[in-house]
Amino acid sequence: SQQGEEDPQALSIQEGENATMNCSYKTSINNLQWYRQNSGRGLVHLILIRSNEREKHSGRLRVTLDTSKKSSSLLITASRAADTASYFCATVRFGGSQGNLIFGKGTKLSVKP
Amino acid sequence: NAGVTQTPKFRVLKTGQSMTLLCAQDMNHEYMYWYRQDPGMGLRLIHYSVGEGTTAKGEVPDGYNVSRLKKQNFLLGLESAAPSQTSVYFCASSYPGQGYGYTFGSGTRLTVV
Repeated sequence: SQQGEEDPQALSIQEGENATMNCSYKTSINNLQWYRQNSGRGLVHLILIRSNEREKHSGRLRVTLDTSKKSSSLLITASRAADTASYFCATVRFGGSQGNLIFGKGTKLSVKP
Repeated sequence: NAGVTQTPKFRVLKTGQSMTLLCAQDMNHEYMYWYRQDPGMGLRLIHYSVGEGTTAKGEVPDGYNVSRLKKQNFLLGLESAAPSQTSVYFCASSYPGQGYGYTFGSGTRLTVV
């Protein structure tokens, strides 16, 4: 069963612009993670934000978490062509076992040079 | 530093044939997982393991079996392949607990004809 839902499904921007992707989820969570997947490759872990955190930064990435709205956003600033990939959010249900990391369907980001 | 290695990378099976996908990790991770990725479905958890000699069912376990005889290896078996098992299979591993990201392999693309 899908826990996280990313929005939009696809996003096309020009190099240098900012890209914002959103994730909504249904149940209380322990933490929320964002992953990147380049075409034909495995997923790469980008950032993890815990349920008691509201914002986290890593390089050009900024993640926010609003547990009252059950939503998160991933902002990529000053995007580059190399950021072209699919981005997935994944959540761990509060009290769930380690096997409960559940992925959304992803946002496909295209950054045009 | 190989991370998570999956073999084979590609495979074509006939309906009813069996095969084993191998996942090996060199990070001394306690937890390991098998996911399948299908277009429009995101990643779905098949089976997972929280330690050597232990396995558990995920969201879509039917038609698959797993074994974790050694800490570094996690095997996924298809006893009688069906066309519905055509997918890209990803193995991942992580440290124990819910506060860590997953490290993914590069995937196995399986086609069942």
